[in-house]
Amino acid sequence: GAVVSQHPSRVICKSGTSVKIECRSLDFQATTMFWYRQFPKQSLMLMATSNEGSKATYEQGVEKDKFLINHASLTLSTLTVTSAHPEDSSFYICSARRQGVEETQYFGPGTRLLVL
Amino acid sequence: LAKTTQPISMDSYEGQEVNITCSHNNIATNDYITWYQQFPSQGPRFIIQGYKTKVTNEVASLFIPADRKSSTLSLPRVSLSDTAVYYCLATPQTGGFKTIFGAGTRLFVKA
Repeated sequence: GAVVSQHPSRVICKSGTSVKIECRSLDFQATTMFWYRQFPKQSLMLMATSNEGSKATYEQGVEKDKFLINHASLTLSTLTVTSAHPEDSSFYICSARRQGVEETQYFGPGTRLLVL
Repeated sequence: LAKTTQPISMDSYEGQEVNITCSHNNIATNDYITWYQQFPSQGPRFIIQGYKTKVTNEVASLFIPADRKSSTLSLPRVSLSDTAVYYCLATPQTGGFKTIFGAGTRLFVKA
C-alpha cells in the first residue's frame, strides 16, 4: 500500500509556542491532503483540506489563522499550530489522496501534541 | 456527504469470523465504500474498498448489496491483534473528495 509519513511522531511544547507538523506521501504524488484531529476515545475530526498550490479549505469551527496549512509540493503538506495552548493537545493525523482506478486516502501514523 | 452508521462495539473470540455491518442510506452514486482499521495512537489503516457486490483481499471481504444502502465487512478467523476500531466511510470519487468519519466500531477479540 501507499506510504504516508508524519514528522514528528510526538512533540511537547510550552504554551504560546508554535509547532510545525509535516506530512509526506513517500511513494506517490498527492494533489490533495487532509488534516484530522482526534481526541481520546473519539473519532477523527476533519480540520481542513490541503490542495497543492492553493489555499487550504477549513472546516467550520477550525481557525485558519491558528492552524496554518501549507501544501507547497505534491508530496508535502505542513500544519503549523500557532500560539499553542493546552486545549490544542491532541493527536493530529494527515492523509493523502491517491488517484487511480479508485479514490483512496492513505493516512499517516499521526503526531501526538502535548502543550504544557 | 453520506452519513454512515455502525454498531458502537462488538465482542468476539479468537478464531471466529466477525461481520461488521454499516448503514449508509444516502450514499451517492459516485461514492465508494471504504473500511479502515485503527489501533490506539496510530493512523487509520486501509483495509478494503468496494462499489458493489463482493470484494475480497488478503485480510477481509466486503459485501455490498445491490441497493448499496449498507455494507458488511467480514474478518475471517480473527485474532487478538484484530482488536481495534473499524471505520466505514462513504468515499466520494468526485468533487471535494473529503471524507467524514463516523464513530466507528470498537471490536474486542477475546482469547
